[in-house]
Amino acid sequence: TQLLEQSPQFLSIQEGENLTVYCNSSSVFSSLQWYRQEPGEGPVLLVTVVTGGEVKKLKRLTFQFGDARKDSSLHITAAQPGDTGLYLCAGPYKLIFGTGTRLQVFP
Amino acid sequence: KAGVTQTPRYLIKTRGQQVTLSCSPISGHRSVSWYQQTPGQGLQFLFEYFSETQRNKGNFPGRFSGRQFSNSRSEMNVSTLELGDSALYLCASSLGSQENNYGYTFGSGTRLTVV
Repeated sequence: TQLLEQSPQFLSIQEGENLTVYCNSSSVFSSLQWYRQEPGEGPVLLVTVVTGGEVKKLKRLTFQFGDARKDSSLHITAAQPGDTGLYLCAGPYKLIFGTGTRLQVFP
Repeated sequence: KAGVTQTPRYLIKTRGQQVTLSCSPISGHRSVSWYQQTPGQGLQFLFEYFSETQRNKGNFPGRFSGRQFSNSRSEMNVSTLELGDSALYLCASSLGSQENNYGYTFGSGTRLTVV
């Protein structure tokens, strides 16, 4: 069974700070997806990373796929209250979800 | 284009009852997957339907079942409800490739409360 572990589990920061969220597995994935979920809503796809070592940027969010395709990271620069939510990484097959990182950004 | 529509949005049921939830995928999407989300267990995969056939199944008891219709709309049913079935049930649609690199689109979910 492929498992995805995310760290940290919770993150509470002030507006303007930078942060990094990690997604790790012992298995190799052909791709990984990152989602953000707000309370009472379904997850929304942010990005898909496919190639080992790939870096993708989405405004202040930077996503990286590990060279061995076993891990990924999400870096947020100058976090804003609107970034608050549950961040989930997911594998492509049967959409195995990670354990999630709950981010709270205070103004 | 219209997103993924789940109905109802909220539901309260009594232990022992059964419930049916509905999901209409994005037009053209042939795969519908169902997930259960609870604070303790996170997002857990229930099953996936593709072209009216169950293609994958998670580790849930037989009380959880589903089906997909020819128009790709899907329903899931939970029989003999237990208090622990209280959760947000999410469905997600995709084009349907087994190794899906295009991402899933989720509905807003059905919040089921069992009392």
